[in-house]
Amino acid sequence: SQTIHQWPATLVQPVGSPLSLECTVEGTSNPNLYWYRQAAGRGLQLLFYSVGIGQISSEVPQNLSASRPQDRQFILSSKKLLLSDSGFYLCAWSYSGSTDTQYFGPGTRLTVL
Amino acid sequence: QKEVEQNSGPLSVPEGAIASLNCTYSDRGSQSFFWYRQYSGKSPELIMFIYSNGDKEDGRFTAQLNKASQYVSLLIRDSQPSDSATYLCAVNPGRRALTFGSGTRLQVQP
Repeated sequence: SQTIHQWPATLVQPVGSPLSLECTVEGTSNPNLYWYRQAAGRGLQLLFYSVGIGQISSEVPQNLSASRPQDRQFILSSKKLLLSDSGFYLCAWSYSGSTDTQYFGPGTRLTVL
Repeated sequence: QKEVEQNSGPLSVPEGAIASLNCTYSDRGSQSFFWYRQYSGKSPELIMFIYSNGDKEDGRFTAQLNKASQYVSLLIRDSQPSDSATYLCAVNPGRRALTFGSGTRLQVQP
């Protein structure tokens, strides 16, 4: 069976500090991978998606970036965090070649102070 | 117009009643439709998906799709307090990823 991991689970960072969130998937090969952000009481905002190693598409221009150094690893980064970066960050995967059913990781709650 | 619209709620129903959650979407080319449940502070979990017009039943849950009206609904029979959560409707418009609504908060009163 497939499992998806995210860490850390919670993070409190000062404004201007860097960020690195990690997501890994087990039990499937070449999955599509996604990063979403959910602000408090809001819907899901797609940030990045990837269909393969080194292939990243950005949905929202901002101070965040994503990388996929390995087949089942997806990293979300920032060089300098803003207050508006606070939120619940969710990684998701879907089967290779399909943008259909997506399965979410447990999420990382980020608070920028 | 938002691509996927849901009433934010809260929708309050008594225990044992039927909860009806609704969703409309704007892209007529959308082919598949999903309902996710999200408990407070947790990540979304998939409840059901539906591809064809009509009803699809899974236990206490029934998804209904009407592509002509661009309307998707989720019925929860015999609602339980444990069903209290936010329900997210998601649509696959055939592009890169699913498009999510903002969710409807459901409260089931014991």
